[in-house]
Amino acid sequence: GAGVSQSPSNKVTEKGKDVELRCDPISGHTALYWYRQSLGQGLEFLIYFQGNSAPDKSGLPSDRFSAERTGGSVSTLTIQRTQQEDSAVYLCASSSGTGRSIGGYTFGSGTRLTVV
Amino acid sequence: GDSVTQMEGPVTLSEEAFLTINCTYTATGYPSLFWYVQYPGEGLQLLLKATKADDKGSNKGFEATYRKETTSFHLEKGSVQVSDSAVYFCALSDRGAQKLVFGQGTRLTINP
Repeated sequence: GAGVSQSPSNKVTEKGKDVELRCDPISGHTALYWYRQSLGQGLEFLIYFQGNSAPDKSGLPSDRFSAERTGGSVSTLTIQRTQQEDSAVYLCASSSGTGRSIGGYTFGSGTRLTVV
Repeated sequence: GDSVTQMEGPVTLSEEAFLTINCTYTATGYPSLFWYVQYPGEGLQLLLKATKADDKGSNKGFEATYRKETTSFHLEKGSVQVSDSAVYFCALSDRGAQKLVFGQGTRLTINP
């Protein structure tokens, strides 16, 4: 597609429930990233996929968080047993470059998750 | 680890004022540097970038120069407009790490 598409745009869930957030990157972009933007804070790296390499999961805050990327395209971020502190905007980005040639990331509009 | 420190906001200026938003970084390698902007109700957009020392990124009247000696990438604009009101994020991408490391963001409000 023309841009990075995320769904849903808003999600309200009850504490303890599982949620799945979807990201559709720009066609042909080999790199895909998930970030979290909490209220009043900056962006926190969660996970990074590059081609067929093992993902960099170093930013996932707990084992309740997981992500997969199927067929090198669509990615799903899953949060199990949601907690109120998981409330944030979850941003997905994709990129075609690596290293010094990186051309910057294209971000989706995000999914605003509210855990009540 | 790598980190980015931005000038704390919020910053409020009058239209046509000169803007500087300071950004300094710490990185083990030779990172690429970025400024992203988030307009109200919209997603993050790349504003400008620089990939090596002394490079100047520019876009929409904004400029930032990659200063290796001071590890800085300050954002400047000579004459701001109301439409520049947004949150600005400085970020780096270390060659080895591949991911972006963001500063905490600076909220800019321009009054007419």
